[in-house]
Amino acid sequence: SQKIEQNSEALNIQEGKTATLTCNYTNYSPAYLQWYRQDPGRGPVFLLLIRENEKEKRKERLKVTFDTTLKQSLFHITASQPADSATYLCALLNTGGFKTIFGAGTRLFVKA
Amino acid sequence: DTAVSQTPKYLVTQMGNDKSIKCEQNLGHDTMYWYKQDSKKFLKIMFSYNNKELIINETVPNRFSPKSPDKAHLNLHINSLELGDSAVYFCASSQGGVYAEKLFFGSGTQLSVL
Repeated sequence: SQKIEQNSEALNIQEGKTATLTCNYTNYSPAYLQWYRQDPGRGPVFLLLIRENEKEKRKERLKVTFDTTLKQSLFHITASQPADSATYLCALLNTGGFKTIFGAGTRLFVKA
Repeated sequence: DTAVSQTPKYLVTQMGNDKSIKCEQNLGHDTMYWYKQDSKKFLKIMFSYNNKELIINETVPNRFSPKSPDKAHLNLHINSLELGDSAVYFCASSQGGVYAEKLFFGSGTQLSVL
């Protein structure tokens, strides 16, 4: 069966450290993979996209890697801040298009 | 200006009632979606419209009927509401047709069926 899996347990880290979130997928052939941020009571907000032929993408303190052999993406936030506390959702667009499919998200808490 | 707006923000109703949620986007996008987020926070696609044409219908009960009067609007009507319909419903839009590179979401409608 097709699955997108993210750590269901919350991730707690200290301010200033690097947060690393994992997204694994099974039985998909993604054209690309996206990461979104969701705050309580709000809709998801797009952060980054990485294509199937890209290994790494950076945007300010964010870095995403994509390993199509391992079927895994890692999402890093460097120099984390309490304001980074939120739920981070991994999503992929399968080859064939039209349908963006989301993982359940990982809750990140950054302590001051 | 809110890019994707949906109303109402909260909807509390009794089982068996019929209700509608409205969505409008002012981004000029050609594709709109409805997603359902359940209590476990899993965001699941329900419908997608591209240029007012239904292109995705994800095994949603036929009590749910989307309607797109124009490219900027996608409404969701739900008949005979059931307890299991309680969830947060998100409207979203995108540009790029088949291969949308990012979705823009509304702030959600929290539906509670009593």
